Amino acid sequence: DSGVTQTPKHLITATGQRVTLRCSPRSGDLSVYWYQQSLDQGLQFLIQYYNGEERAKGNILERFSAQQFPDLHSELNLSSLELGDSALYFCASSVVGSGIAYNEQFFGPGTRLTVL
Amino acid sequence: TQLLEQSPQFLSIQEGENLTVYCNSSSVFSSLQWYRQEPGEGPVLLVTVVTGGEVKKLKRLTFQFGDARKDSSLHITAAQPGDTGLYLCAVNNQGGKLIFGQGTELSVKP
Repeated sequence: DSGVTQTPKHLITATGQRVTLRCSPRSGDLSVYWYQQSLDQGLQFLIQYYNGEERAKGNILERFSAQQFPDLHSELNLSSLELGDSALYFCASSVVGSGIAYNEQFFGPGTRLTVL
Repeated sequence: TQLLEQSPQFLSIQEGENLTVYCNSSSVFSSLQWYRQEPGEGPVLLVTVVTGGEVKKLKRLTFQFGDARKDSSLHITAAQPGDTGLYLCAVNNQGGKLIFGQGTELSVKP
């Protein structure tokens, strides 16, 4: 158990819909990262928040957005869903956000999104 | 083009065999990490290598960082079914985010 929790575990929805994925970081971690894992693209970085502020962005679609709340939990919002958005979505957390050579991130169990 | 190229992509072996998986790049990195991911779970950090030529051991797993810090290898001795999983190498880019290789899917049959 990494200490990072994600809900829901599974999500099945239809094209055009909007969903929200939730992540609670490990106690004491200020940084939250979102990743998408699909068979063809592998594990891809989406976005990072540090203590409530957006810190870095990857190839995140405009239909996707995220935020980190004062209690440090984070939500990833996916809208106008397409079949290709079906994937595993992971949240990770770490104590620091940047500025060191390596950064240990702890991953949650993921949310499996299926868009029909 | 992938920043990190992992090989082989798939590996199926019998219990007790040895194996090596590779993570290669044309770029130089200050550090490199190896993760293991089991089905239905998130990746779990196994090791971070920092110094060129560094060798780290974790029980039956041996990790090596290339002298030029462009590549790394993971060697498993006497593989066990519990070693089955997806092995990912990753580098820390632009501060916080991790860039992953495509992974090596390892299956160890009893």
